[in-house]
Amino acid sequence: DAKTTQPPSMDCAEGRAANLPCNHSTISGNEYVYWYRQIHSQGPQYIIHGLKNNETNEMASLIITEDRKSSTLILPHATLRDTAVYYCSAISTGGGNKLTFGTGTQLKVEL
Amino acid sequence: DTGVSQDPRHKITKRGQNVTFRCDPISEHNRLYWYRQTLGQGPEFLTYFQNEAQLEKSRLLSDRFSAERPKGSFSTLEIQRTEQGDSAMYLCASSLKERVIGNEQFFGPGTRLTVL
Repeated sequence: DAKTTQPPSMDCAEGRAANLPCNHSTISGNEYVYWYRQIHSQGPQYIIHGLKNNETNEMASLIITEDRKSSTLILPHATLRDTAVYYCSAISTGGGNKLTFGTGTQLKVEL
Repeated sequence: DTGVSQDPRHKITKRGQNVTFRCDPISEHNRLYWYRQTLGQGPEFLTYFQNEAQLEKSRLLSDRFSAERPKGSFSTLEIQRTEQGDSAMYLCASSLKERVIGNEQFFGPGTRLTVL
């Protein structure tokens, strides 16, 4: 699975969009980009995933660059409850689909 | 509650003792994963099951660790002769194999192990 790198921390004002980048320059053609988040003392929570097209669901949007070497998770209107560690992971569809987490980005949403 | 459950939520033990954790996945999920998370780090994959078969084990899973899923439902993770380095959060997750493309994993709340 491709290695991912993320900034260690980011701040965002409540109500503004939070844009969380992820670099996955070694991603291969059959690897999906998955995003999870972990609120303190809880298990990780799935947010969204994509292969090469941009994706949107009720939680977030995922923008994947055309060369697929990086992606951005967008929380359109961040709230205090979005404060969490956000992880991106690249997973191939073959095998066990095990997740590989880096150290993630600690997003702090403030008033 | 139909989510993934784990028991116990917290476990304190003395070095050298054996401990066992239980995970109950979402009922229709045929894949079950174990991860370990230490402070300040993301979760690390340990092993996974498809139904009752253990299909992959990480190098992190030393001989002191054993996991089972005897009937393809709940799973147990046992650590023998615990060491202080085993102190971590042990997370269980489940997913549905047939949904390969949208194979999101659903995590339990974890079991926090402290080895004194």
